[in-house]
Amino acid sequence: QVQLQESGPGLVRPSETLSLSCTVSGGSISSHYWGWIRQPPEKGLEWIGYIYYTGSTKYNPSLKSRATISADTSRNQFSLKLTSVTAADTAVYYCARGLSCTTSCFLDYWGQGALVTVSS
Amino acid sequence: DIQMTQSPSTLSASVGDRVTITCRASQSIGNWLAWYQQKPGKAPNFLIYDASSLASGVPSRFSGSGSGTEFTLTITSLQPDDFATYYCQQYDSLSGTFGQGTKVEIK
Repeated sequence: QVQLQESGPGLVRPSETLSLSCTVSGGSISSHYWGWIRQPPEKGLEWIGYIYYTGSTKYNPSLKSRATISADTSRNQFSLKLTSVTAADTAVYYCARGLSCTTSCFLDYWGQGALVTVSS
Repeated sequence: DIQMTQSPSTLSASVGDRVTITCRASQSIGNWLAWYQQKPGKAPNFLIYDASSLASGVPSRFSGSGSGTEFTLTITSLQPDDFATYYCQQYDSLSGTFGQGTKVEIK
């Protein structure tokens, strides 16, 4: 059974960079695709992007190139960086395993989510 | 950018009811559509992919249909565990847009 766990700071200052990691257990990241999704408080879900273990990535254009996803196969982890954050980036951030990833993906296994608040 | 619109936003139903949720895409997405169930404070739970294929372990009372721009999620004989919010998601474009959600509540 694949399990994912997000980790990272719960509070980020405006204009700084949000950084989160996702540790995968029960499977290797050197197969499948791996994605990030976020959900602002009391709102719906937003697709951020995905990475394939080879390093190939695709992102939601709405993030205007602020997002970068990377992978560390030696640690079986992948990560998200989001630059120049504002209060609008406050959300629960989920990592997940992606399938059928050509442009975006559907997600079958999800982490529990990590709340990141952007505030001074 | 592809917009996904779900209806209704809220649905009141009783245990044993048949429930149908509609998801409409602003342009054709073929059958590149998934459905998820989310309970408060929890991550979404994957239900259906490719519009009508049931994910492993999902009860057969859940089914999906549709193609192009109009899709439905049907729950036959609603169970107590099914009261939750349901989201559709298109994966035909880079935006991977989700619908705004449909909350299924107890009548």
